[in-house]
Amino acid sequence: GAVVSQHPSWVICKSGTSVKIECRSLDFQATTMFWYRQFPKQSLMLMATSNEGSKATYEQGVEKDKFLINHASLTLSTLTVTSAHPEDSSFYICSARSSSGGGHTQYFGPGTRLTVL
Amino acid sequence: DAKTTQPPSMDCAEGRAANLPCNHSTISGNEYVYWYRQIHSQGPQYIIHGLKNNETNEMASLIITEDRKSSTLILPHATLRDTAVYYCIVRVARSGGSNYKLTFGKGTLLTVNP
Repeated sequence: GAVVSQHPSWVICKSGTSVKIECRSLDFQATTMFWYRQFPKQSLMLMATSNEGSKATYEQGVEKDKFLINHASLTLSTLTVTSAHPEDSSFYICSARSSSGGGHTQYFGPGTRLTVL
Repeated sequence: DAKTTQPPSMDCAEGRAANLPCNHSTISGNEYVYWYRQIHSQGPQYIIHGLKNNETNEMASLIITEDRKSSTLILPHATLRDTAVYYCIVRVARSGGSNYKLTFGKGTLLTVNP
């Protein structure tokens, strides 16, 4: 089956630093990748959608200058949380949509738990 | 906003079938029904999707009513590892505006008991 990986799986950083999270589709090409955020006991909230080689489209209320997304290839997207603060602590999950087979299915990564001290 | 309604929680005995309902009374003709599940502290896992016909794969069966206003996900023989939050989502299949996104509601917490 289609596999999406994320790295790191967890990260702890100091307030004010930047953190980069990688998302890779391991066995398929992903024209579109999505980044979600999930706070404890809440559902997933879509942050942004990125298409390979294009600028990401951010959901309302998500600061594009704070959450930098780069989708440089069909298998890699990165999310950089700039100047992280404790309120950015969350579970960040990426998702990739295959460009083949009608593009029906989105596959999700295992998530990255970010803790900002 | 999520366009589906699911019960917040359900219990099922191990080895028995788990039937998870979902209401989507405002579903459009070109929207599919998708089911995902999320085990605690993991990313969501795709289960199955369908348009109007019933679907079955190695994980589950999806029964969609004739008017498409509701569906049921069936796990035929639930195991303890099936304990998770199950999300029912409606979405168009191809990119086309905001309704292409997978919008997660609160889902149903299925607890499989020994």
